[in-house]
Amino acid sequence: EVQLVESGGGLVQPGRSLKLSCAASGFTFSNYYMAWVRQAPKKGLEWVATISTSGSRTYYPDSVKGRFTISRDNAKSSLYLQMNSLKSEDTATYYCARSVNVYYGLLLRGYYFDYWGQGVMVTVSS
Amino acid sequence: DTVLTQSPALAVSPGERVTISCRASESVSTGMHWYQQKPGQQPKLLIYGASNLESGVPARFSGSGSGTDFTLTIDPVEADDTATYFCQQSWNDPNTFGAGTKLELK
Repeated sequence: EVQLVESGGGLVQPGRSLKLSCAASGFTFSNYYMAWVRQAPKKGLEWVATISTSGSRTYYPDSVKGRFTISRDNAKSSLYLQMNSLKSEDTATYYCARSVNVYYGLLLRGYYFDYWGQGVMVTVSS
Repeated sequence: DTVLTQSPALAVSPGERVTISCRASESVSTGMHWYQQKPGQQPKLLIYGASNLESGVPARFSGSGSGTDFTLTIDPVEADDTATYFCQQSWNDPNTFGAGTKLELK
């Protein structure tokens, strides 16, 4: 059974940093791209970051680029999200998700998310 | 960014057929996927690639569409289907999600 368990959330002041972790089990972690997706309270979903199988390629939307860093440790089947310079608008539940690549021929055209963790809450407030 | 527009809410009776729509601001080919999120839970993948049923998802769920207009159909609706349904496009960078359609049972 695929399991994704996030940890590391909490209350943090604006401008400070926080690192989230996700422990994966039930599948060969190193074979999959992985991602973080967040959901602000009572709001919709927003993709935050994706990392390739080896960790050599990372992808971010403009809203977090330069502030957030996704990484992974395949030996530990773990995914991480380092969040710096946090803002109040980063307040959300953060989900770790297994990513499935979508190809058009040989061209990678994004991904969808077939398994999600239960989420971890991050609150940015003074 | 590609904006996905969904109706905010729908109310149907058990046993009925319901269609949930998602309109993209530009073409996403068949790079559209659907998720179900029940209160207090994480999202669950239902449909990928516009019309492919995820393994383990009941055949009552189906998806259709291409380009800019997509539909998630539940037929027949059951009481357990009370949830918010999100569409997500993967064709254009960045991936984006719709705001969700809240489905309530009468």
